[in-house]
Amino acid sequence: SQTIHQWPATLVQPVGSPLSLECTVEGTSNPNLYWYRQAAGRGLQLLFYSVGIGQISSEVPQNLSASRPQDRQFILSSKKLLLSDSGFYLCAWSTGTGNTEAFFGQGTRLTVV
Amino acid sequence: SQQGEEDPQALSIQEGENATMNCSYKTSINNLQWYRQNSGRGLVHLILIRSNEREKHSGRLRVTLDTSKKSSSLLITASRAADTASYFCATDPYTGNQFYFGTGTSLTVIP
Repeated sequence: SQTIHQWPATLVQPVGSPLSLECTVEGTSNPNLYWYRQAAGRGLQLLFYSVGIGQISSEVPQNLSASRPQDRQFILSSKKLLLSDSGFYLCAWSTGTGNTEAFFGQGTRLTVV
Repeated sequence: SQQGEEDPQALSIQEGENATMNCSYKTSINNLQWYRQNSGRGLVHLILIRSNEREKHSGRLRVTLDTSKKSSSLLITASRAADTASYFCATDPYTGNQFYFGTGTSLTVIP
């Protein structure tokens, strides 16, 4: 069966520090991968998605970047965090074959102080 | 933005009552999906309805889709305290590579 791992669960970082959040998927090949951000009490904003290794699409301009160095690994990064980067970050995957659902990790709560 | 909107933003009902949530979206879609999120956790998929379907059932869930109005509704019948969560709709556009989520409805079921 397929599983998705996302870590860490919580993170407190100072303003100006770098960020690296990692997400890995097991039990499937060539998944579509997604990074979402959820502000407190709000909906999910799609940040990045990837349909293959090295293929990253950005939905909104921001202080973050994403990379996909391996088929089932998706990394969210920042060189210098801003206070506005605080939020709940969710990684997800789908088969990308159409009419299928997204499967989510348990999320990372990032607080920038 | 392709993000949809759910209403109401918050809903509080007694156990045993039915809960109805609505979703409106902006673009043409391939399908529409509903997800549930317990506080501080990831989202869990509940049900998917294709653009050529009008109604779908799964257990106590009933989903309708009106593509002419770009709207969907989720009905949870005979609610339970364990149904307390946030519920989101998500649209999958024809490109098929993204999922755009609505703003969510926070449901509280009072025992």
